[in-house]
Amino acid sequence: QKEVEQDPGPLSVPEGAIVSLNCTYSNSAFQYFMWYRQYSRKGPELLMYTYSSGNKEDGRFTAQVDKSSKYISLFIRDSQPSDSATYLCAMRVTGGGNKLTFGTGTQLKVEL
Amino acid sequence: EPEVTQTPSHQVTQMGQEVILRCVPISNHLYFYWYRQILGQKVEFLVSFYNNEISEKSEIFDDQFSVERPDGSNFTLKIRSTKLEDSAMYFCASSETVEGEQYFGPGTRLTVT
Repeated sequence: QKEVEQDPGPLSVPEGAIVSLNCTYSNSAFQYFMWYRQYSRKGPELLMYTYSSGNKEDGRFTAQVDKSSKYISLFIRDSQPSDSATYLCAMRVTGGGNKLTFGTGTQLKVEL
Repeated sequence: EPEVTQTPSHQVTQMGQEVILRCVPISNHLYFYWYRQILGQKVEFLVSFYNNEISEKSEIFDDQFSVERPDGSNFTLKIRSTKLEDSAMYFCASSETVEGEQYFGPGTRLTVT
C-alpha cells in the first residue's frame, strides 16, 4: 500500500463549481498536512498547512483532516479558470524530521 | 514577498558529468531541502540540511549526491557523475523552523543525455 494515495484525475469542472480534492494515507504518524498547487513546470506553491485533525479555512479554500479515517480534503469554492493546476497533498510526521511525503497530485481543469 | 530562487532554470549535461544546482533560500530560514520530481511522477524527498549538516536523507541520495552551504546565502546540490535516470526537476525548499512551512523554489530542470 502506498504511503499517500491521491487520484491523479484529470478532474474537469465548470467555473463556479465547488471542487473537492482528497488524499488517503497509511502512516498514522503523520501529523502535519499540506496542500500545494503546482502549475505546469513550476515549483509547488503552498496553499494550506494544518496540524492534526480539524478544518482550516483561507478565502475560497478549506482544508479538512480526519485522522481517524486517514483522509484529508481540500475544498475550493467558486472555482476559477486560474485554479486550473495540479494539487499536491503532502504530509509529515512530528519530531522525526521534516521530510515531506507527497501524493501524486490531482490535475484540475476549471472550464469557462 | 520573499521567495526561494534557483539557478539555472534548465541544465543539459552529458552522462557522467558533474552538475551543481544552486538555490538561494529565504533569508531568515534555517532549514533547507532538496526534492526531485521525475516527469509524470510525484515529488520525492532527497535531503534536509540544518546547521551545516545533513539532517535526513532518502535512499535516492546516494554517494553521487552531496549538498553544501558554501556561504551565507547559497545552498547547492552536486551530482558527481550524472546518469540518465537523474533527469528530473529538482526543487529546493526552505523553512524557518524544523516544523514550519516549507516554501519551494521554481525548480531546475536537469536533462541528462
